[in-house]
Parts: sequence; C-alpha cells; structure tokens
Amino acid sequence: KAGVTQTPRYLIKTRGQQVTLSCSPISGHRSVSWYQQTPGQGLQFLFEYFSETQRNKGNFPGRFSGRQFSNSRSEMNVSTLELGDSALYLCASKGHSPVTNTQYFGPGTRLTVL
Amino acid sequence: KQEVTQIPAALSVPEGENLVLNCSFTDSAIYNLQWFRQDPGKGLTSLLLIQSSQREQTSGRLNASLDKSSGRSTLYIAASQPGDSATYLCAVLGGAGNMLTFGGGTRLMVKP
Repeated sequence: KAGVTQTPRYLIKTRGQQVTLSCSPISGHRSVSWYQQTPGQGLQFLFEYFSETQRNKGNFPGRFSGRQFSNSRSEMNVSTLELGDSALYLCASKGHSPVTNTQYFGPGTRLTVL
Repeated sequence: KQEVTQIPAALSVPEGENLVLNCSFTDSAIYNLQWFRQDPGKGLTSLLLIQSSQREQTSGRLNASLDKSSGRSTLYIAASQPGDSATYLCAVLGGAGNMLTFGGGTRLMVKP
C-alpha cells in the first residue's frame, strides 16, 4: 500500500496571502488529521476529518480551515498568512480498526511565510 | 487538558549503549500511546503503539512500556547504533477530541 502523500512538499508565501495544502491518505483510510509543527510549540493538533465531516478541531484561529472529499483526500487552507504560520504541516491517516488506531503520517509540507 | 512531557530533551550516547527515553502524561484516560521517530525535516514514523490495556510492546531492539495509572511510558533502545540518531516523540490518544497529544520529543545522538 502507498503511504500518506502530501503536496506540495515546500511552499514559500508572503504575509497576507493564502495557501492550500493537500493530503492523500492511505487507501481505505477515512480519517485524516492535520498537525502543525513549530520549534517553539512542537506538534499541535489542527483538525480531524472523517467521511467528509470535521470531527474534531484544535485551538487554532478561523484562518485555518479544511475539508475532505468523497475519496478521503483532504485539503487545509490558511488565509491571511502571518509570519508565525511558518511551520511543517503534517497530515496523518488512520484506519477504523478498533484494535490498532495507529496513525500514519505523511512527509509534511514545509511552509515558509516571508 | 492532557499534557505530555518527555525527559531528557536531548541525549548523546556512544554506539552500543542501551538507553531509556521517558514520557509522562497527566490524564490517564487514554486509548493508547504511540512512539514515533522523526528525522530532521521529515515526517513521523510510527515505532510502537501500546493500547491502554497493554503493559508493553516490542519491535526488534525497541521495547516500550506503559504504566497508565502512574501516567508513564518508557522507550528502551538496546545496543544503540548511529542510525538511531533522530528525535523520538511520544503521543497519547484520548479525550473527547480523540486526538494525539504530543510530547516535546527527545533528540538522540548516537556517536560512532
């Protein structure tokens, strides 16, 4: 099985712009979660989607949004970019097994805001 | 609110040593605990997952234990190798949000 893929791998944007990141989960996985990783705050949960519905949301401003499509692919959007949004954005997919619940992470998208 | 702490933050050891990484969490109401490895600039690789009902899991030279009542987990790495150099993160799954809460990580350097 192919792993979790994320595109693009690197992005450079300027303040005030918006950006869309994409994540394709492992085939058969319907849960996709997004995390932000920064040197200062570490890994923080953004949101989780399951079957096209946002199931959980972390403590981030409304500029961060996401969606999931019927094929389980997910996108996250950040509007009005700020310098502090520079981070590695990771997505993870999870199967619906009641036994394992292992989250598998993609390679991440490195966003730099200038 | 769940808080996860990892000690030490950084560790440097000579090749061949056995070592222990520590993880503690404040809320024992968890579904499972996962240990991940992260190489610089890369994503996370899952190493071991321990369900809340389990006490330990083993994979090759890695052994992870879980003491849910005391809110602690350890990752034991036997006969360390330079290729083990990476940041090791523990994360717990639990709470109403069913989300992973991560520790700050332990940056491990194994010197040849």
